[in-house]
Amino acid sequence: EAGVAQSPRYKIIEKRQSVAFWCNPISGHATLYWYQQILGQGPKLLIQFQNNGVVDDSQLPKDRFSAERLKGVDSTLKIQPAKLEDSAVYLCASESGGEETQYFGPGTRLLVL
Amino acid sequence: GESVGLHLPTLSVQEGDNSIINCAYSNSASDYFIWYKQESGKGPQFIIDIRSNMDKRQGQRVTVLLNKTVKHLSLQIAATQPGDSAVYFCAELGFSGSARQLTFGSGTQLTVLP
Repeated sequence: EAGVAQSPRYKIIEKRQSVAFWCNPISGHATLYWYQQILGQGPKLLIQFQNNGVVDDSQLPKDRFSAERLKGVDSTLKIQPAKLEDSAVYLCASESGGEETQYFGPGTRLLVL
Repeated sequence: GESVGLHLPTLSVQEGDNSIINCAYSNSASDYFIWYKQESGKGPQFIIDIRSNMDKRQGQRVTVLLNKTVKHLSLQIAATQPGDSAVYFCAELGFSGSARQLTFGSGTQLTVLP
């Protein structure tokens, strides 16, 4: 079974630029999560999707971050405009409906200069 | 609010010795806990989980102990190997509104010495 795929793996941008990350969850997994992991910390949840609907985006900085999962499969996370403090690893995870285990992708490492 | 914390940020052990990584949680209503392993450049990988109706659960070379009285859990790794070097996170599955969500601790960096 293929795991969670994410791209790109690395991204370097200047502050105030825009960036987008892509995630393809495990086939059949209805729930998808985006996490932000700052160096030296645990992952922090940004947004949770159930199929193509948002379950919780209370921790998403909506003035600059947006995410969508239009067809209930792939998802994109966008930052516009980026700030220096957005430098982090952005992790995508998915979960099937019948279990509570989240499976993580390799993450996208973002550096904002 | 909920919080999950770890006792030590780093742990070094000799190859072949046993490792113990500790974690404290604050929400007494928490009923499900998970340990994740994160190697450099990779996403967190599920190791083992435990529900609040259990005190102990064993996997292959790993054991998780849960002490609900003091709100503490630990991950024990037997005969630690170089491949066990990684950051280990405990995570608590709780509720945010009606959604079940993971809250991660800050992690313990395990280094296995030759």
